[in-house]
Amino acid sequence: AQKITQTQPGMFVQEKEAVTLDCTYDTSDQSYGLFWYKQPSSGEMIFLIYQGSYDEQNATEGRYSLNFQKARKSANLVISASQLGDSAMYFCAMREFLTGTASKLTFGTGTRLQVTL
Amino acid sequence: ETGVTQSPTHLIKTRGQQVTLRCSSQSGHNTVSWYQQALGQGPQFIFQYYREEENGRGNFPPRFSGLQFPNYSSELNVNALELDDSALYLCASSYDTNQPQHFGDGTRLSIL
Repeated sequence: AQKITQTQPGMFVQEKEAVTLDCTYDTSDQSYGLFWYKQPSSGEMIFLIYQGSYDEQNATEGRYSLNFQKARKSANLVISASQLGDSAMYFCAMREFLTGTASKLTFGTGTRLQVTL
Repeated sequence: ETGVTQSPTHLIKTRGQQVTLRCSSQSGHNTVSWYQQALGQGPQFIFQYYREEENGRGNFPPRFSGLQFPNYSSELNVNALELDDSALYLCASSYDTNQPQHFGDGTRLSIL
């Protein structure tokens, strides 16, 4: 079974600074996908960025980048130039293929990021 | 493009009752997945529907059931509600089973 580990329950960062949220994963699959989602207090899960296991380049989406180190099984999220609106829970997730065409996301326990002035 | 919408936003039920939660998938998406998120935890996979058929299920008892309709909208039904069913229920749709899932705002279910 796949497992996602997020070891930072909470993080603080000053506005305009960069922050790295850690994520390590465990899988025996060769093909997998890694995702980061943002969850504000309202509850919605907002898709941020995706990295496929065969992608050679680290994924980037605006201020978000994913530091993918396959040998270390880590997929850390880097947020540059933090903004107050970045304060939220952040979840790392891995896509696992089930039987047939089915797939599911396995989530970590999340990291609560607080951006301060 | 219309995103994923869920209804109702909040719901209060008592033990033993039954509940139906609804989800309209994003336009063009044929796959819907449901997740349960207990307070302070990450979401847990309940099941997935693809073209009106359940094609994957997590570790949830049979009293959790679902449907997907021809327009790809979906329902989650929970029978014989228990206190531990209190959670945020999230619906996610995707263009296909291996594409990124886009989530709705969730339904907060409280069991008294």
